[in-house]
Amino acid sequence: GAGVSQTPSNKVTEKGKYVELRCDPISGHTALYWYRQSLGQGPEFLIYFQGTGAADDSGLPNDRFFAVRPEGSVSTLKIQRTERGDSAVYLCASSNSRTVNTEAFFGQGTRLTVV
Amino acid sequence: EDQVTQSPEALRLQEGESSSLNCSYTVSGLRGLFWYRQDPGKGPEFLFTLYSAGEEKEKERLKATLTKKESFLHITAPKPEDSATYLCAVQLTSNTGKLIFGQGTTLQVKP
Repeated sequence: GAGVSQTPSNKVTEKGKYVELRCDPISGHTALYWYRQSLGQGPEFLIYFQGTGAADDSGLPNDRFFAVRPEGSVSTLKIQRTERGDSAVYLCASSNSRTVNTEAFFGQGTRLTVV
Repeated sequence: EDQVTQSPEALRLQEGESSSLNCSYTVSGLRGLFWYRQDPGKGPEFLFTLYSAGEEKEKERLKATLTKKESFLHITAPKPEDSATYLCAVQLTSNTGKLIFGQGTTLQVKP
């Protein structure tokens, strides 16, 4: 596609439920990043994929968060037993650089609301 | 601890009134400093990357500069369409490419 696509745009879920957020990166981009952005704050790093493997997952807040990229393109961020504090905009970015995040392109984000 | 701090948090300008946004950083080793623009409800849009002290880059009314401790985003004769949140981020030499963002400066330009 022309840009990074994230679905859904908005997701409202009840506390304790499981959610999946999807990211379709720009075709051919090997690097994929997930960030989380709370209101009035800058994005906070969650996880980085280079191809199919998670090269850096140091930003995942706890074991309720998990992400996969099985074929090196589409990625899914999975959140188990959601809590109200998980409410935020989840951003995905992709880049065609193997080592440097130059000109990473961001999607529009998924706004997650846990009620 | 690696930190990025932006100031001011919010800035209101009249159209044509030039100003600067500041990004101060304390990091173990800088690979690059990035500026992004973010409009409400959208993802960040890449503007510039700066790699070494003394480097400058320009795009239309925007000019970014870098020193060893901070970066400035200068806005010359801004227009209402420049209204947005401007985010600064650093990439470290020691990591895999993740960005550490500041909290952003929200700019409003009034006609």
